[in-house]
Amino acid sequence: EVQLVESGGGLVQPGGSLRLSCEASGFTFSTYWMNWVRQDPEKGLVWVSRINSDGSSTDYPDSVKGRFTISRDNAKNTLYLQMNSLRVEDTAVYYCVRNAYYFDYWGQGNLVTVSS
Amino acid sequence: EIVLTQSPATLSVSPGERATLSCRASQSVSSNLAWYQQQPGQAPRLLIYDASTRATGIPARFSGSGSGTEFTLTISSLQSEDFAVYYCQQYTSWPKAFGQGTKVEI
Repeated sequence: EVQLVESGGGLVQPGGSLRLSCEASGFTFSTYWMNWVRQDPEKGLVWVSRINSDGSSTDYPDSVKGRFTISRDNAKNTLYLQMNSLRVEDTAVYYCVRNAYYFDYWGQGNLVTVSS
Repeated sequence: EIVLTQSPATLSVSPGERATLSCRASQSVSSNLAWYQQQPGQAPRLLIYDASTRATGIPARFSGSGSGTEFTLTISSLQSEDFAVYYCQQYTSWPKAFGQGTKVEI
């Protein structure tokens, strides 16, 4: 059974940093592209980063480029999202999501709240 | 950047009825479109990909159609567990965009 278990969310002040982790199991992690997608009531579902299977290529939308960094450790079956210079508008539930095109498996979600 | 517009925003139907949801793309996405279902407090679940292919374990009452810029998700006979929010998503180009969702309610 495919499982994606996120951790690392919480409350952080504007300008602060946070690192999300996603531990994968039930499939060969090292052969899949992975993504982070966030959801908030105003903007809905928004893709925020992707990484290819060996970690050599990443991509971000303009809204987070230069502030967020996606990475992976295939030996540990774990995906990461390092979030720096956080803004109030980054407040959302963050999902770890599998696959390169359509998203076939999602983690349970991890709430990140940016507030003073 | 491709924009997806879903309609209606809310669809009120009764159990056993047919529901038809629409997703329109601002430019052609070929058949690179997926549909997701989200129950309250849960992560989205993949229903349909490649516009018309059901994902693993998805009941046959869910069907997708369309190509280019116009797409439809049909639920042939609504069950109680189908009342949820549905999103479309394109994967023709980056950034991958989602529609704003259609809420199917009783």
